[in-house]
Amino acid sequence: DVKVTQSSRYLVKRTGEKVFLECVQDMDHENMFWYRQDPGLGLRLIYFSYDVKMKEKGDIPEGYSVSREKKERFSLILESASTNQTSMYLCASSLLTGANVLTFGAGSRLTVL
Amino acid sequence: GNSVTQMEGPVTLSEEAFLTINCTYTATGYPSLFWYVQYPGEGLQLLLKATKADDKGSNKGFEATYRKETTSFHLEKGSVQVSDSAVYFCALSRDNNNDMRFGAGTRLTVKP
Repeated sequence: DVKVTQSSRYLVKRTGEKVFLECVQDMDHENMFWYRQDPGLGLRLIYFSYDVKMKEKGDIPEGYSVSREKKERFSLILESASTNQTSMYLCASSLLTGANVLTFGAGSRLTVL
Repeated sequence: GNSVTQMEGPVTLSEEAFLTINCTYTATGYPSLFWYVQYPGEGLQLLLKATKADDKGSNKGFEATYRKETTSFHLEKGSVQVSDSAVYFCALSRDNNNDMRFGAGTRLTVKP
């Protein structure tokens, strides 16, 4: 089975702190994604990457950056966390071609105080 | 742009009841359509998919048919179980595009 592992299930940070969310997949998928999940809004795409060192903005990239130095790892960075970034963050991966089935991690719930 | 609209929840049913969760989409080209399910405390997982018009996706007793004429992909199950309690997301992905668009999610609670 493909596994997508998110390093932290729960984080509590203070306003202004720098936050790193790490995601690793073990099935050699080309694509990796970061979504944000909020009640009533579903999943919104923050960034995705289709190759090492490549990234594309999603619908809500403001306040976030990403890094993909290795194929299996995709990091989401909050340079200066704010309270409106309190949310559930989901990482996913998929093959480059095909029906784009996503495999998700279990999620990282971030609370910014 | 591409988008998905699904019925608002929450939906509460008794065990063995019939389930329908409506989903309609707006897209250019020929999208693939998906239903994902999120059980409590877990990430999303693929429930079923359909890649072209009139395809029927099915899994675990759930079904959905890709209806191009009504731009719909409604999820159905004939007899729900308590273990089906979860949040269900409709989603689409266009050809030659690597991002997925999700609906807002519908929370289903099944009571014994």
